[in-house]
Amino acid sequence: AQSVTQLDSQVPVFEEAPVELRCNYSSSVSVYLFWYVQYPNQGLQLLLKYLSGSTLVKGINGFEAEFNKSQTSFHLRKPSVHISDTAEYFCAVSLPSGNTPLVFGKGTRLSVIA
Amino acid sequence: EAGVAQSPRYKIIEKRQSVAFWCNPISGHATLYWYQQILGQGPKLLIQFQNNGVVDDSQLPKDRFSAERLKGVDSTLKIQPAKLEDSAVYLCASSLVGSYEQYFGPGTRLTVT
Repeated sequence: AQSVTQLDSQVPVFEEAPVELRCNYSSSVSVYLFWYVQYPNQGLQLLLKYLSGSTLVKGINGFEAEFNKSQTSFHLRKPSVHISDTAEYFCAVSLPSGNTPLVFGKGTRLSVIA
Repeated sequence: EAGVAQSPRYKIIEKRQSVAFWCNPISGHATLYWYQQILGQGPKLLIQFQNNGVVDDSQLPKDRFSAERLKGVDSTLKIQPAKLEDSAVYLCASSLVGSYEQYFGPGTRLTVT
């Protein structure tokens, strides 16, 4: 079975500062890795994904994440955040094939302070 | 392209009452998922359909929860009777066959009092 740990439940950061949201996973097999964002009263939106290949992946809204197999991590980063980035961020994994369910972490609430 | 539609968006019921949620996936998406998101936690799979067949319902509390997708398109999730711990957001997601990418609806927020 797979599991995901998001190490920070809340991350406050000032506008235009960099941010890193941490994610570690556990799995006995290879997995696909995802970051989703959830704005208030909305569904989940895919930010970026790692399936294979380059360990640095870029997503929407200026976010990027790096897959580290030895540390079983997939941390999300943004060099300069905006007020509009305030949201809940979820790290998730799935088995490496189509149509498999996502296993989510508990989420990290990013609050950007003006 | 229209997204995943869910209704109602909000529902408040008393414990022991019944409730139903509806989901209309993106056109052409044969795979449909229902997730439960309890406050402070990440979404957790309840049930997965492919067309009108159940692929995985191992985490569905079958004594009170049921779901169907009779014509392989829309789906309904029902809770009967509801308990206080069922208070959560119920998310529906859909995907193309063979795809890893799931598209989520806005969710239904259920409050059980």
